[in-house]
Formats: sequence, structure tokens, C-alpha cells
Amino acid sequence: EAQVTQNPRYLITVTGKKLTVTCSQNMNHEYMSWYRQDPGLGLRQIYYSMNVEVTDKGDVPEGYKVSRKEKRNFPLILESPSPNQTSLYFCASAPKGDYEQYFGPGTRLTVT
Amino acid sequence: GEDVEQSLFLSVREGDSSVINCTYTDSSSTYLYWYKQEPGAGLQLLTYIFSNMDMKQDQRLTVLLNKKDKHLSLRIADTQTGDSAIYFCAESIKGGATNKLIFGTGTLLAVQP
Repeated sequence: EAQVTQNPRYLITVTGKKLTVTCSQNMNHEYMSWYRQDPGLGLRQIYYSMNVEVTDKGDVPEGYKVSRKEKRNFPLILESPSPNQTSLYFCASAPKGDYEQYFGPGTRLTVT
Repeated sequence: GEDVEQSLFLSVREGDSSVINCTYTDSSSTYLYWYKQEPGAGLQLLTYIFSNMDMKQDQRLTVLLNKKDKHLSLRIADTQTGDSAIYFCAESIKGGATNKLIFGTGTLLAVQP
């Protein structure tokens, strides 16, 4: 089944404790992206990747890192999480950047 | 700049038609999309329209595109309680190495029985 998977689905952590949210797609898509969703703000892009080893900042990259060592995986890293990073995070992939995007189920992160 | 705007909330009665509106700013968009997000779930593509089309109909869904006014709408006929969700419009931005989708803020559709 073609899908985008994210792990974990739910995470509660404390300020400053490094965490990684994994994202994997099995559709051989070139493009992958991370978004955060906050009430009233819609989806805001954090980082995106046009292909392996090619990543770039989105609209709200501060406090986040990504890597794209393999085509299928695009982990999101929070080196020192803060409470303002409490949000719902979505990973997405697409054949190319301006094509239909396929979304993962979301990761709800709470930073206390 | 890149900006996609939607109203935040729409309430309709079951059986009525719903119309969700979206305005965008980039005239070079090639595709425009409508996504649906049900509670606790990710976004799923509902429908899309190519920028050289004015209208697309898919069962209960009708998409209208006014390229001159940069206005996109989604009409849901015979709205059901199962249509209650957040609806996002998105435009494709094609610009060399920065091809991507820009999403609106989402419209929460509440269907009253």
C-alpha cells in the first residue's frame, strides 16, 4: 500500500530534550516536506527536500533540522525543543514539488 | 508574495450546498488543489483543477476557478454530516528549484443535522 508513515504519532517531552520524528514513504517520491499545523494558522512549511541530499528551509525553520540521506526517509530533528514547538506535525511526499502531496497521519507533539 | 487565504469557518444544514472560497496570489500556479482533513487525521486530496480550466465537477463536488480574480471555490452539493472537516486549498508554485504547494489556513465546515 502506497503510504507515508510517521513515528511516533504522539509524543510528550520536556524542554531541551532532543527528539526525532521519523517520516518514510514507499512511493519513490523525490519531494518530501514537513509542516506544522496550529489553530488559525493552517499549515506552515518547516523544511522541504527536492531530492536526496537537497534540503531547504520553508517558512518556519527555526528550531528544526532535517536530513535526506535516502530517498524514502526524511526525519525531523528538534535539537532543543521548546514549548512553542508544541504542535501537530505532518510529513508529506510528492513525485515533484508542485504535484499532489501525500500526507502522513500526523505527530502530535507536546513540549512541557 | 505567496499567500492563500480562506475564511476560517462555515456552518450549513445537512442537505444544503456548501461553498468554500479561497483566494491566491501567484498567477503562475499550474494546479490548484482541495484537501480534506477529518478530525485526528492527515490531509487527503479531494480534487484538483488545472489552471487552464474554469470548472471541474466530480460527483457532489464542483470546483470553480476564476483566474482573473485569482479565486477558487469548492461547492459540495447535498452536504452530509460526514462532510464535516477542515478543507484546505493549495496552489502550486513553480519557480525553478522551489516548486512547492502553498496551503491556505483551512476552512472548518460544520454540518448541522
